[in-house]
Amino acid sequence: RKEVEQDPGPFNVPEGATVAFNCTYSNSASQSFFWYRQDCRKEPKLLMSVYSSGNEDGRFTAQLNRASQYISLLIRDSKLSDSATYLCVVNLPRSSYKLIFGSGTRLLVRP
Amino acid sequence: ETGVTQTPRHLVMGMTNKKSLKCEQHLGHNAMYWYKQSAKKPLELMFVYNFKEQTENNSVPSRFSPECPNSSHLFLHLHTLQPEDSALYLCASSPSSGSRNEQYFGPGTRLTVT
Repeated sequence: RKEVEQDPGPFNVPEGATVAFNCTYSNSASQSFFWYRQDCRKEPKLLMSVYSSGNEDGRFTAQLNRASQYISLLIRDSKLSDSATYLCVVNLPRSSYKLIFGSGTRLLVRP
Repeated sequence: ETGVTQTPRHLVMGMTNKKSLKCEQHLGHNAMYWYKQSAKKPLELMFVYNFKEQTENNSVPSRFSPECPNSSHLFLHLHTLQPEDSALYLCASSPSSGSRNEQYFGPGTRLTVT
């Protein structure tokens, strides 16, 4: 089983749609969780950290389910500029420095 | 955004060449990282430096040699590379304290080995 698994997509949605991605992780002792976005041929950029209580940043909401070992990202009112690959990232237990990146979920928002 | 810069942005080198990649961070962080991203693969951690000390070498071949002279600068020295080493090499930095370890990436060096 991969340490971090994501549906590669692509998710093809119209502008204004709500879209959700899930990610599962294998190590129950992981403590830090993040979503990054990566545009084509660019570097990953931190989108948001994921907290146990869930957190929201504008149109983006992240949730953590420790019991089921999955993380979700919800994007409301999709914009064309949201088109990118979304990377789920989890730390290795006992090492806050070592992050494991998922392969990413590709989102295409069409006009 | 100029928090983490990398040079060169593109590099083409032959298998017998020696070259170096440079990374500089202006965020006051104490931890720096090298990652490799090959086509259609997730990011792979290569090296970690914390307060200039190497804390992680993720089984990287010796043809890749990192150097961290201070907390703001990180180099990756390359020699006798193979074509399969062609990839995007990304540098990142993060604060060394605390458990959240949010990492910030530079724009990367796209390396082609011929």
